Amino acid sequence: AQKVTQAQTEISVVEKEDVTLDCVYETRDTTYYLFWYKQPPSGELVFLIRRNSFDEQNEISGRYSWNFQKSTSSFNFTITASQVVDSAVYFCALNTGNQFYFGTGTSLTVIP
Amino acid sequence: DGGITQSPKYLFRKEGQNVTLSCEQNLNHDAMYWYRQDPGQGLRLIYYSQIVNDFQKGDIAEGYSVSREKKESFPLTVTSAQKNPTAFYLCASSIYEMTEAFFGQGTRLTVV
Repeated sequence: AQKVTQAQTEISVVEKEDVTLDCVYETRDTTYYLFWYKQPPSGELVFLIRRNSFDEQNEISGRYSWNFQKSTSSFNFTITASQVVDSAVYFCALNTGNQFYFGTGTSLTVIP
Repeated sequence: DGGITQSPKYLFRKEGQNVTLSCEQNLNHDAMYWYRQDPGQGLRLIYYSQIVNDFQKGDIAEGYSVSREKKESFPLTVTSAQKNPTAFYLCASSIYEMTEAFFGQGTRLTVV
């Protein structure tokens, strides 16, 4: 069975602090993709990153970085120097073939 | 502009009535999805379609129906058999399986 766990339900940080959102996944498939999405208050999910199971290189995009570790089945997301505009719900997702499995999301609030 | 359009944004339905949510995409994507989002539960898959005239049930298909007569369109009907239809509904599409999905802005359905 496929499963994604985001244990952090809500996180609050003060602006300019760094914050890491955790994601742990379960699958027996050897080929799969992992994703992160951002859901601002408007409701639309915004795609942030896709990573395949054969590529464990960490990735950095501006203030965002992702750490993929197959040994611990984790795909964590770090925001450096957080800003108020980062306030949103963030979802981690797994795809092993024909559908996405989403975690329950982490609500991030950045306090000015 | 390319994207996914969901309409209406807000929908009110009386108990016992069927209602259809619209989803149109002009991204030339093969795969389309319908998700339901409830507070604290993340996204749950209702139906998905990988090709015209074909679709599969997701985890919570009971009380819902879909059609895929055109590549661009994937309407969702919430029937009177759905016991608790009040929720936020998100439509998504992807080029093919395992690629990132792009989401519409959602339809918030309220049963009154």
